[in-house]
Amino acid sequence: EIVLTQSPGTLSLSPGERVTLSCRASHSVGNSYLAWYQQKPGQAPRLLISATSMRATGIPARFSGGGSGTDFTLTISSLEPEDFAVYSCQYYGGSPLTFGQGTKVEI
Amino acid sequence: QVHLVESGGGVVQPGKSLKLSCEGSGFTFSNYGIHWVRQAPGKGLEWVAMISYDGSNKFYADSVKGRFTISRDNSKNTVNLQMNSLTAEDTAKYYCARVYFEWLMVGWFDTWGQGTLVTVSS
Repeated sequence: EIVLTQSPGTLSLSPGERVTLSCRASHSVGNSYLAWYQQKPGQAPRLLISATSMRATGIPARFSGGGSGTDFTLTISSLEPEDFAVYSCQYYGGSPLTFGQGTKVEI
Repeated sequence: QVHLVESGGGVVQPGKSLKLSCEGSGFTFSNYGIHWVRQAPGKGLEWVAMISYDGSNKFYADSVKGRFTISRDNSKNTVNLQMNSLTAEDTAKYYCARVYFEWLMVGWFDTWGQGTLVTVSS
């Protein structure tokens, strides 16, 4: 099983700031099997990034993903008020699929 | 427009059973793998189970193996999750999600339902 560890647990930031979230895998996952989701209170998760760095349809360019092997990142270049949410990484290369515990980005 | 809608949640006593359903619309449901993902209150996302587009392949998280059964009825555009021997640890919002690629069982999830809440309590 691939265990995903996200850090930090919570980030307190201001609009306009740049932020990089970390997702570390217990074993190499390859470049094609890592996704990122955004979730706001009371809402379902929303796909942001697939295959490590592919932005989903409609996702602004300020969101970018990177990394390889066991270390992956999600960067938001300049935080907008609507970006304050929980971000989760996901391994989807096989069973069991796994999620990181999430990083909360708060004001 | 692509939609998934879950139903069947509620309050159930420990040891009892509950059946969740996920109905799809706006796409050719029978072409897509479907997953269940749950989220306990205040916790992160946990993958639960998956079923292939034709129902021939199914996989489960260890935490639910032997207690939960996933199935699908493509004539009704529905995937079900039969949950037996429920415990307090199963209390969560349950989401169904669609795999992005047709025919594949695993992949990223491009569409999620709004979830249905399951509370296991005496």
